[in-house]
Amino acid sequence: GENVEQHPSTLSVQEGDSAVIKCTYSDSASNYFPWYKQELGKRPQLIIDIRSNVGEKKDQRIAVTLNKTAKHFSLHITETQPEDSAVYFCAASAATGFQKLVFGTGTRLLVSP
Amino acid sequence: DSGVTQTPKHLITATGQRVTLRCSPRSGDLSVYWYQQSLDQGLQFLIQYYNGEERAKGNILERFSAQQFPDLHSELNLSSLELGDSALYFCASSLTGGSDTEAFFGQGTRLTVV
Repeated sequence: GENVEQHPSTLSVQEGDSAVIKCTYSDSASNYFPWYKQELGKRPQLIIDIRSNVGEKKDQRIAVTLNKTAKHFSLHITETQPEDSAVYFCAASAATGFQKLVFGTGTRLLVSP
Repeated sequence: DSGVTQTPKHLITATGQRVTLRCSPRSGDLSVYWYQQSLDQGLQFLIQYYNGEERAKGNILERFSAQQFPDLHSELNLSSLELGDSALYFCASSLTGGSDTEAFFGQGTRLTVV
């Protein structure tokens, strides 16, 4: 089955810096890659996603890139702010008739003022 | 607010007991999913329903069961509870349940088994 690895497990940056979180997946049939942000004790919140027919997607300060050949995808956050501090999860879903998200282990991002 | 409603928010129960967690999907969504989040296992997919029918199963224990009702709300039943079942249980919903549709999570139910 699908396996998703996520790095780093923790990331500390200064406000205004960029942050990059990387994930690799194992199932070449995966076609959907969402990113979720989770604040302590709260629900995972979808922040951006990318489908396998697209190499890059951007939404204001966040962007996601996908390399299908290497089977990895990355989240880029520019001009980080303290409110970006949270745990970020990547996930992958195979191209079947249903969705079964396999999540990475999460990255705790800390943005210091 | 994602529009997905879960009740209760917190639940404390004893080992061996049975509990029911409830989820109402976003208006218009036909598919619901259940996920378990624990410190040692991370976010794990349990089960998916689409329009009342089970569509996919993940790492769901035999002691756990779920269903989706005609009004599209879903319930997750956990029985013979063990200490290790303590976790956050999330429900998510999406429009079609297809592999590449956006899924939105509810606030979760925090289950503590003592």
